[in-house]
Amino acid sequence: GAVVSQHPSWVICKSGTSVKIECRSLDFQATTMFWYRQFPKQSLMLMATSNEGSKATYEQGVEKDKFLINHASLTLSTLTVTSAHPEDSSFYICSARVPDSRINSPLHFGNGTRLTVT
Amino acid sequence: DQQVKQNSPSLSVQEGRISILNCDYTNSMFDYFLWYKKYPAEGPTFLISISSIKDKNEDGRFTVFLNKSAKHLSLHIVPSQPGDSAVYFCAARPPNFGNEKLTFGTGTRLTIIP
Repeated sequence: GAVVSQHPSWVICKSGTSVKIECRSLDFQATTMFWYRQFPKQSLMLMATSNEGSKATYEQGVEKDKFLINHASLTLSTLTVTSAHPEDSSFYICSARVPDSRINSPLHFGNGTRLTVT
Repeated sequence: DQQVKQNSPSLSVQEGRISILNCDYTNSMFDYFLWYKKYPAEGPTFLISISSIKDKNEDGRFTVFLNKSAKHLSLHIVPSQPGDSAVYFCAARPPNFGNEKLTFGTGTRLTIIP
């Protein structure tokens, strides 16, 4: 089946630094990938849609200058949390859908990245 | 505003018995519902889905029931097995949107007791 790999699985960084998270589709090409965030005891929330070769689309309330998304190839999307602060500590997870699949086709998720900002 | 609610954060069930996980939603525009299963340190994996035109969908040991008037859906697992121990998320979306626009519940941790 379709596999989405996410790296790193966890990261601890100091406040003010930037952190890059990678999301790769291993056995299929994904023109579109999705980035989610989950705070403790809250549900998974879509942050942005990453489009290969064009600008990402951000959900309302998500700062595009803080969460930089780059989708430079058909198998790789990156999320960079810039100038991270403790309130950015969260679980970040990416997903992708197999191309040409139906609208109801399920997404394939990466394993997620636990970010802790100290 | 939590549009998809899973009011039970955890559930323990004896192996071989039926597990029933519940989910309520508030947005009457939702017309497609999914259940995802998540093991520790892994991403969610799709389990089963149901369209609002149906009230039941079955796949092996897993059955999802939808009660539109009550805005309630449930996932039944029977018989429950130790490998079913995981966090289960229900999710919903409105019509004409892909599954990236899913609204997720907060999850229910299911523990199957051998």
